[in-house]
Amino acid sequence: DAKTTQPNSMESNEEEPVHLPCNHSTISGTDYIHWYRQLPSQGPEYVIHGLTSNVNNRMASLAIAEDRKSSTLILHRATLRDAAVYYCILRSGGSNYKLTFGKGTLLTVNP
Amino acid sequence: NAGVTQTPKFRVLKTGQSMTLLCAQDMNHEYMYWYRQDPGMGLRLIHYSVGEGTTAKGEVPDGYNVSRLKKQNFLLGLESAAPSQTSVYFCASSYNRPGSPLHFGNGTRLTVT
Repeated sequence: DAKTTQPNSMESNEEEPVHLPCNHSTISGTDYIHWYRQLPSQGPEYVIHGLTSNVNNRMASLAIAEDRKSSTLILHRATLRDAAVYYCILRSGGSNYKLTFGKGTLLTVNP
Repeated sequence: NAGVTQTPKFRVLKTGQSMTLLCAQDMNHEYMYWYRQDPGMGLRLIHYSVGEGTTAKGEVPDGYNVSRLKKQNFLLGLESAAPSQTSVYFCASSYNRPGSPLHFGNGTRLTVT
C-alpha cells in the first residue's frame, strides 16, 4: 500500500491560513487522496478528497502537486474549532477497500 | 438520516467476558470497517467487509470476529476479552468507489479490567 508522511504537529493562529502538508511519493495513478480530521473525543470526519486537480469545498481546499507526490490541505481562516488531528490517506482505485491511517498531524490553533 | 450508529457507546468488561459491538448504517453502503484507536495513535483496521455475507482481516484481527449478515449491519465480537483490547472502537462505511468518503460512527469506548 502507498504510504503517506505528515508532520506530527503544527501550530497556527486564529483567523490565519493553515497549510497542512502530506507526502505520498509512492502514489499510484489510481490512488485518490483523502483528508479526514478528528476532533477530540469524536470519530474522524471527512474533509476533502481529490485525484489530480485542486479541489475546493466549504471546509477546505486541497492542492495537489503536479507529480502527485505531495498534497496540501488548506484551511483558509483557522478557527479554534479547527483544532484537531488531520489525516491524509490514499484510497486505491484498484483495491479501494484498503484504508490505512497514520498518526496524522495534530493542529493547534492559538487564539 | 442517522448515518453510522454504534452501540453501545461505553462498556466495561471483565477479562474473559464476551460482547458484541453493533454498527448500523442507513446509507446503503457496500463497504464497512471496524477500527480501533489507542491513546496517541492513529486508527488501526481490525476487520472489514466489502459486501453482505463477506468479511476480511485487517491489520489487527486477532481476538476479534465479525459478521455481516445484513448489508446495513456489521457486528464486531470479542469472545474472551483481554485488557489489551481496552480501546475506542470506530465503525465506518462507504460506497464501493475510491472517491467515496468514509462515514464514521461516534465510537464505542471499551474498558477491559
